[in-house]
Formats: sequence, C-alpha cells, structure tokens
Amino acid sequence: SQKIEQNSEALNIQEGKTATLTCNYTNYSPAYLQWYRQDPGRGPVFLLLIRENEKEKRKERLKVTFDTTLKQSLFHITASQPADSATYLCALDDTNAGKSTFGDGTTLTVKP
Amino acid sequence: SQTIHQWPATLVQPVGSPLSLECTVEGTSNPNLYWYRQAAGRGLQLLFYSVGIGQISSEVPQNLSASRPQDRQFILSSKKLLLSDSGFYLCAWGGSPTPLHFGNGTRLTVT
Repeated sequence: SQKIEQNSEALNIQEGKTATLTCNYTNYSPAYLQWYRQDPGRGPVFLLLIRENEKEKRKERLKVTFDTTLKQSLFHITASQPADSATYLCALDDTNAGKSTFGDGTTLTVKP
Repeated sequence: SQTIHQWPATLVQPVGSPLSLECTVEGTSNPNLYWYRQAAGRGLQLLFYSVGIGQISSEVPQNLSASRPQDRQFILSSKKLLLSDSGFYLCAWGGSPTPLHFGNGTRLTVT
C-alpha cells in the first residue's frame, strides 16, 4: 500500500543550528514533492516544490533534496530561528493524479 | 492577487444536525478546489476535489458530500453529523502541478 512517512518524533534544536526533516515514501511515483509549513490552528502554507528530475532546490535558508532511488526527500532549515517553530508537512503529487497526498508532518521546535 | 475565504472559523454542532461549510476563491478562474480534513496531530486527508462546476470527485466514502454550484465556490455538507466528523476542515485551490493554497480552516466539534 502507499505510505508517506515523516519523522515520527518531534524535532527540538537549538537556535542557529540546521534542522533536517525527512519524508520517505513507498509505492508512489511522484511527479512532484512539496513542503508546507503549518502553524497551530492555521492552514498549511506552501514553501517549496521539487520535481522528480530535480535533485535539489533552495530558497533563502531552506533547501530540499529529492532522491527518487531512495524514495526520500530531505528538508533543511539552516541558521534556524525560534520563528521557524511549526509543523512541516510533505506532500506527493502522483503522476497525472491531479491531487496531493500529505504525510502526518513533523513538529519542529527551535529553542533560543 | 488570489485569496481564499473559508467560514466559519469554529463550529460546534450536535450529533445528527446538518452541516454546511463554504469556501470561495477570488482572483482566479476555473481553479481546482479541494476539501481536506485534518485530525489532531495528523496529516491532511483528502475528502473531495473538483476540477470544474458540478464536477466532484470523492476520495473517501463517508457521511459528507460536496458541491460546486459556481466556479469559485465549494461547499461541504452533511445531512446528519456524526461524532467522528469532528476535525479541522481545510479548503484549498490550486494543485498539481501548482502548489495548494489553503484557507484558514474550520474547527468542527460534534457533541
């Protein structure tokens, strides 16, 4: 069956360090993989999209990698700040499916 | 610019009562529209999506239905709510290949 797995444990890191979040999937052929940020009581906000033929994408302090052989995406936040504390969701868009399937998310807490 | 409006923000309804949640999008035409539900501490479960007026695809058989009476209006309904319908309901537009843009959600508590 299809499955998307993100870090099951909450992630706590010190301000200034790099946070690395993992998204693993099975039985998908994703055309795209997306990362979203969700704050408590709010809807998710889009951060980055990476296509199946891209290895890496960057945006300011954010970096996403996509390894279709390992079936894994890594999401990095460098020089983390307390304001980066939130839940981060990965989502897969299966080829031609026209819809996104989300993982359960990883809650990141950055301590000052 | 595009905006998405979803209301109400919170709702408390008794078991067996009807439900109507509305979502409207501005600044874009013929958007793909989606209803997701999120249980506490979990990811988003796709309930319905629509690629056009009157075109609804249901992902999960359940006590809910969706309608799209106008191009930029998406409605989630139920005739009789169950306790298990409690959750955080999110409307979104966009999707494959463009990113999803979410509303601020409706927190539904069925008592």
